[in-house]
Amino acid sequence: KAGVTQTPRYLIKTRGQQVTLSCSPISGHRSVSWYQQTPGQGLQFLFEYFSETQRNKGNFPGRFSGRQFSNSRSEMNVSTLELGDSALYLCASSSAGIQGDGYTFGSGTRLTVV
Amino acid sequence: AQSVTQPDIHITVSEGASLELRCNYSYGATPYLFWYVQSPGQGLQLLLKYFSGDTLVQGIKGFEAEFKRSQSSFNLRKPSVHWSDAAEYFCAVVSYNNNDMRFGAGTRLTVKP
Repeated sequence: KAGVTQTPRYLIKTRGQQVTLSCSPISGHRSVSWYQQTPGQGLQFLFEYFSETQRNKGNFPGRFSGRQFSNSRSEMNVSTLELGDSALYLCASSSAGIQGDGYTFGSGTRLTVV
Repeated sequence: AQSVTQPDIHITVSEGASLELRCNYSYGATPYLFWYVQSPGQGLQLLLKYFSGDTLVQGIKGFEAEFKRSQSSFNLRKPSVHWSDAAEYFCAVVSYNNNDMRFGAGTRLTVKP
């Protein structure tokens, strides 16, 4: 079956702009989580959605938001981009949360803010 | 505070040598434990996981990990490293009542020919 698909793979944005990243989970998976990966901070949890509801949220400012659609696809939005938002954004899906098969990760979206 | 520690930032081993990557956690109760591997520019691939039961867990690519409750550790091992194992390895934990997966800082593995 198809894996977790993240689009686009690469993005370059200007400081102050906003950006939307997309994640299509594995078919049948209802839980989608987002992570930010940077060399300095490592992998940091952003939020998790399950059946269109945000179930968990990490410690990020309100500029970072997300949503999940009825088909389990998820989007992440970052408004008023800052240089420090440059990172690899990873999406992960699971069937019902971590107690199942664990998370399957996509290849990520590389965001560069200039 | 809950935390995951990977003490080694970078490890270099010779091809064919054995490997052990360390992971320690600090959680109120035994969490769910994972090891992931990441190749440059790629996402994370699950190597193995521990939820309960047998404390020695077998994973893909010849990796195994041992859960030691007394030491709050979940070290990853491989008897003979291949050049293709060069990558970054992440230990991750999830509290049993929460779906928030926390990662260690990662250990970068270099394999010498």
